Amino acid sequence: EVQLVESGGGLVKPGGSLRLSCAASGITVSQAWVSWVRQAPGKGLEWVGRIKRKEDGGTTDYAAPAKGRFTISRDVSKNTLYLQMNSLNTEDTAVYYCATEGVSWAFDYWGQGTLVTVSS
Amino acid sequence: QSALTQPASVSGSPGQSITISCTGSSSDVGAYNYVSWYQQHPDKAPKLMFYDVTKRPSGVSNRFSGSKSGNTASLTISGLQAEDEADYYCSSYTSNNAYVFGTGTKVTVL
Repeated sequence: EVQLVESGGGLVKPGGSLRLSCAASGITVSQAWVSWVRQAPGKGLEWVGRIKRKEDGGTTDYAAPAKGRFTISRDVSKNTLYLQMNSLNTEDTAVYYCATEGVSWAFDYWGQGTLVTVSS
Repeated sequence: QSALTQPASVSGSPGQSITISCTGSSSDVGAYNYVSWYQQHPDKAPKLMFYDVTKRPSGVSNRFSGSKSGNTASLTISGLQAEDEADYYCSSYTSNNAYVFGTGTKVTVL
């Protein structure tokens, strides 16, 4: 059974940085396409970015709000993915989910999410 | 990339059928058959209900069905049940090699 567990959320000041983790079990992170999706309080879902599996180049893609500020990476030895977030602003306040793209252009497994609050 | 447009709320009585629309553009919904739908109960992670417009993952009730015409996709729930009360989001792959989600629809079972 695939399980994704996010961690690393918390309170950070505007302009600060935070690194989120997504620990995976039941899958090998180097063999999966994985996205980060966020949801601001009381709002809808927003795609943040993804990392492709190694055999597809292992490249990353980002939504416009994340480009240049966020970086997705993985540690195969820990079977964990990361979302490094820099230059945070209040609009980045959200629950951040990691999710696998295990079926055709859709997100089949989701973690429980981790809350990031950007506030002074 | 603008969010796909969904009605804010849809309601129905138990046993009735309801349909949620999801309107995009020729760069997303209209361009690809890569529309997916998600059900989200309060304080829970989203759950995949459909992918490739009409494909249901194992375990999803056949009371749910998906379709698409042009730039608009739809999710229909037949035989509405109390447990169907949740938020529903559509999503589409886009020409920018990205994803866009819908604005979300709150389904209320009267």
